[in-house]
Amino acid sequence: GQQVMQIPQYQHVQEGEDFTTYCNSSTTLSNIQWYKQRPGGHPVFLIQLVKSGEVKKQKRLTFQFGEAKKNSSLHITATQTTDVGTYFCARTGANSKLTFGKGITLSVRP
Amino acid sequence: DTAVSQTPKYLVTQMGNDKSIKCEQNLGHDTMYWYKQDSKKFLKIMFSYNNKELIINETVPNRFSPKSPDKAHLNLHINSLELGDSAVYFCASSQGGVAEYTGELFFGEGSRLTVL
Repeated sequence: GQQVMQIPQYQHVQEGEDFTTYCNSSTTLSNIQWYKQRPGGHPVFLIQLVKSGEVKKQKRLTFQFGEAKKNSSLHITATQTTDVGTYFCARTGANSKLTFGKGITLSVRP
Repeated sequence: DTAVSQTPKYLVTQMGNDKSIKCEQNLGHDTMYWYKQDSKKFLKIMFSYNNKELIINETVPNRFSPKSPDKAHLNLHINSLELGDSAVYFCASSQGGVAEYTGELFFGEGSRLTVL
């Protein structure tokens, strides 16, 4: 279907460790977006990936779109307590419909 | 200036009551959305409007009625509230139209509805 899968739903890391999470689809994605939601906050757009194999960096965050455009990854280098939150990937569909994955909630032990 | 603002931020009400949530965006976007986020943080689209026209209606019970008086406003009215309606409701807007491509979504701060 038109879903994107994010597994697991929770991950705990020690501050300073790297963190990687994945977003998978059974069908080809036209593009993928990533959002971050801090505890008690609202989702905030991070990035959009459009091209096959595309890699984009934002400071310690690296986003990648798979060659087949069926998966995407988010990698955080040397996590900090400010990285805490839920990270969602989302796929676009007809009528500007954005369908979100279930998200992964990251906690960071200081 | 808040780009997407929704009111109220909190609603606590009894089962069977009717409530409304209002949303306004000052970004000049054409498309507005309502999303429901449950206790497991799953974000599920409910409705979208493009230039006041209903585009997406995701099999939401007809107790939920969105209204868009103009493209900067999208309100949500809920009749006969049920316990399962308890959630955070997010309004969002984007520059996307009816084509598949959409720009980023800008979310409001959310309205937490608790039905007792």
